[in-house]
Amino acid sequence: EIVLTQSPGTLSLSPGERATLSCRASLSVNSNYLAWYQQKPGQAPRLLIYGASSRATGIPDRFRGSGSGTDFTLTISRLEPEDFAMYYCQQYGSSPQTFGQGTKVEIK
Amino acid sequence: QVQLVQSGGDVKKPGASVKVSCKTSGYIFTTHRISWVRQAPGQGLEWVGWIFAYNSDTTYAQNFQGRVTMTIDTSTATAYMELRSLRSDDTAVYYCAREPYNYGFLDFWGQGTLVTVSS
Repeated sequence: EIVLTQSPGTLSLSPGERATLSCRASLSVNSNYLAWYQQKPGQAPRLLIYGASSRATGIPDRFRGSGSGTDFTLTISRLEPEDFAMYYCQQYGSSPQTFGQGTKVEIK
Repeated sequence: QVQLVQSGGDVKKPGASVKVSCKTSGYIFTTHRISWVRQAPGQGLEWVGWIFAYNSDTTYAQNFQGRVTMTIDTSTATAYMELRSLRSDDTAVYYCAREPYNYGFLDFWGQGTLVTVSS
């Protein structure tokens, strides 16, 4: 199975700053089938990005996904207070689909 | 609007079984897969498996094979996940989520069901 490694584990930033989250796969992700989710405490995950770079419905354009093959990035251009949360990547190009261990974006 | 509403939390003893339901609405049930994902306390997300509502085809993660069964009831647009031989490390929030047109990413999620396994 494909192992996804997210870095950093925690990102401490201030509102208005740029956040760059990394997701590295142990094998190439077929068709760049890579998604990103945001999860806040006590809530279900929310889909942000699919297909490595397509924003889900209703997701603000400050969220941008990029990358291909084994290296993927989620960039939040200017952090809003509601963006402080956990972020997970998921690959769904190979079975079993797998998730990264998550990156926590916290307020500095 | 698309909604997935799950059954309430449950407490089970080790060795018992649990069945979680996921009632869907707002879309054509049989055109998408339903995946189940779990999250142990303070931990990340773990995919359990999926069921295709059109023909009940299933795929389970290897960690759960032999212990999990996923089913659907098309008359009520409800998906079910049964997990047997529960252990303490099965304590987790279990989520159902829709895979649009079986692509594999998860666009709508249920609210989650906490299953606690404790003697």
